[in-house]
Amino acid sequence: DAGITQSPRHKVTETGTPVTLRCHQTENHRYMYWYRQDPGHGLRLIHYSYGVKDTDKGEVSDGYSVSRSKTEDFLLTLESATSSQTSVYFCAISIDRTQPQHFGDGTRLSIL
Amino acid sequence: ELKVEQNPLFLSMQEGKNYTIYCNYSTTSDRLYWYRQDPGKSLESLFVLLSNGAVKQEGRLMASLDTKARLSTLHITAAVHDLSATYFCAVDGPMIKAAGNKLTFGGGTRVLVKP
Repeated sequence: DAGITQSPRHKVTETGTPVTLRCHQTENHRYMYWYRQDPGHGLRLIHYSYGVKDTDKGEVSDGYSVSRSKTEDFLLTLESATSSQTSVYFCAISIDRTQPQHFGDGTRLSIL
Repeated sequence: ELKVEQNPLFLSMQEGKNYTIYCNYSTTSDRLYWYRQDPGKSLESLFVLLSNGAVKQEGRLMASLDTKARLSTLHITAAVHDLSATYFCAVDGPMIKAAGNKLTFGGGTRVLVKP
C-alpha cells in the first residue's frame, strides 16, 4: 500500500471554526490531491499540488485553501467551516500521469 | 467542462452471470482509470487505460476504452459475492502546466452480487 496518512480520521466541529486536514506521504511523489466525496457526486477535486509551493484549484475550491511547504505534506484548510462542507475528504498522490492516483483512508468531517 | 457519467447507478447481480458498467465522458481524453471502493473504505486502483482500444483484464474484470466514442466499459464475468462494491471511473483532463492528473470522477456504480 502507498504510504499515505491522513489526519485526523474523524472530526466534528462547529460552523465558523477553522479546520485543517493533513495528508502525509512517504512515497516522495510529486503530485498530491484533495477530494471530497458526497453521496451521488463521486469524488470532486478541491485542490491539487504539482510540487512544493505549487498548487492550483480544482472544481470545488471555494471555501478551501491548501499549502505544501514540504514534498511529504499537503494541508487542506477550511478557513470558516460551513455545514455544506460536511463530507469525507480523501487525499491522493501520484508519481506521474501514466500511473493511477493512490488514495489515503479518508477523513470524515462533520460540521454542526 | 469535462463531465463523466456512469450507468447504471446501481446493479444487482446474480452470481455466475455477466454484467457491464458503462462510463461516458464529454470531452476528448485518452486517459481513463477505474477504481473500486468498499463501504467505508478508501479507493483501490483497478485499471489504467491510456490509449484508444486499450483493454485490461484482471480476474473476472475487464476494462476497455474507446476514445472516439468517449466510452469505457467495465465487464464483469461470472459475478461472485466478493465483487460487491462501488466502482468508479475517472477521466483525466487536458494537461495544464505539468499539473499531473486532474481527474473527473463518475458518480459511481454500486454493485451488489447476490447468491
